[in-house]
Amino acid sequence: EPEVTQTPSHQVTQMGQEVILRCVPISNHLYFYWYRQILGQKVEFLVSFYNNEISEKSEIFDDQFSVERPDGSNFTLKIRSTKLEDSAMYFCASSEDPALNYEQYFGPGTRLTVT
Amino acid sequence: GENVEQHPSTLSVQEGDSAVIKCTYSDSASNYFPWYKQELGKRPQLIIDIRSNVGEKKDQRIAVTLNKTAKHFSLHITETQPEDSAVYFCAAAGGTSYGKLTFGQGTILTVHP
Repeated sequence: EPEVTQTPSHQVTQMGQEVILRCVPISNHLYFYWYRQILGQKVEFLVSFYNNEISEKSEIFDDQFSVERPDGSNFTLKIRSTKLEDSAMYFCASSEDPALNYEQYFGPGTRLTVT
Repeated sequence: GENVEQHPSTLSVQEGDSAVIKCTYSDSASNYFPWYKQELGKRPQLIIDIRSNVGEKKDQRIAVTLNKTAKHFSLHITETQPEDSAVYFCAAAGGTSYGKLTFGQGTILTVHP
């Protein structure tokens, strides 16, 4: 069964540094998402992406965040200048067109630790 | 935007008992309601979902019910087993937020042998 993959599994970075989290969505999926989960809390939506542009973003997704699909397979989340409060698990997800099938498949996550 | 409230935050049952987790949502236009199970340090895994044109859906020991009028939906697990212990999240999507999942706060379910 195809799966969403993410790299790295764990990233440690210093405050103020840039990080790029990488995801490979399921190959025939068209919609891509990033969510984050602060330890012990709920999963929070960050951004959705379709047809090479952002479809929707949350208030968390400020100017420090950006997303990109640099090639036909990868989907990346960049945090320009990390803050302590960016420490969380970041999940990538992908889906077919929600009009046809809402089901989202989650990757295993990247644990980001900002020190 | 959509707001999803989930109760209880923790639930402890004996093996073989039933467990019920409830969620309410605010956006009447939401039309997709999935439930995810998350084990410690793992990804959320879809266990069952329901669309707004259906009132109930069952898959073996798991069932979900939806009351569109009251804007609430529930997860029912029967004959619970220790391996059902995990955090369960409800979510809602559709309506004004196309594709975006809004999650509840989660329920820590513990099944005691």
